[in-house]
Amino acid sequence: DVVMTQSPDSLAVSLGERATINCKSSQSVSCSSDNKNCLAWLQQKPGQPPKVLIYWASTRESGVPDRFSGSGSGTDFTLTISSLQTEDVAVYYCQQYYNLPWTFGQGTKVEIK
Amino acid sequence: EVQLVESGGGLVKPGGSLRLSCAASGITFSYMWMTWVRQAPGKGLEWVGRIKSKIDGGTTDYAAPVKGRFTISRDDSKNTLYLQMSSLKTEDTAVYYCSTLGYSVTRSYDDWGQGTLVTVSS
Repeated sequence: DVVMTQSPDSLAVSLGERATINCKSSQSVSCSSDNKNCLAWLQQKPGQPPKVLIYWASTRESGVPDRFSGSGSGTDFTLTISSLQTEDVAVYYCQQYYNLPWTFGQGTKVEIK
Repeated sequence: EVQLVESGGGLVKPGGSLRLSCAASGITFSYMWMTWVRQAPGKGLEWVGRIKSKIDGGTTDYAAPVKGRFTISRDDSKNTLYLQMSSLKTEDTAVYYCSTLGYSVTRSYDDWGQGTLVTVSS
């Protein structure tokens, strides 16, 4: 199985400041000849199911604010929230869909400082 | 509007069985590959398994911890997904979500139910 490891486990960021979450896969999740990576970022707010923010490592889901961005390739990926808002308080998960079983990182809890 | 509504969760003893259902509306269910994801209390997300659409073969795939104990099926005439769970263990305690979770070249599929809680305890 592809093991996904996120860092940090939690972070507290001031409103309007940048939040950065890292995700490392135990093997490359580069999945196509056109440099696509089978990596998604999901957001889960308390008491709610998860929601996809980013897929193909850097494609923002429709309706997701542009303060969310994804980058990286191969085994190392980053989710950046450029200017943290109150509504961004959540747990964020990276997830690979390179092969089965799909696997998630352990989650990163983002809070307001 | 897409709606996925899970039901069938509850308290069951170790070794017991339970069948979860997920009723779908607002989507062409028969075309969708459907996935079950679970989340133990206070823990992260775990992919349980998926079933392809019948037109794509209708085959199933499972995570190792549930393979041989859980069975995913679908009834396209009822727009309903099922998760039959048997030989349940305490570590199967979780909220179980059904989802259309998937990714294509042009879009992601990201519909989720609210989840149903399964508690395995004596």
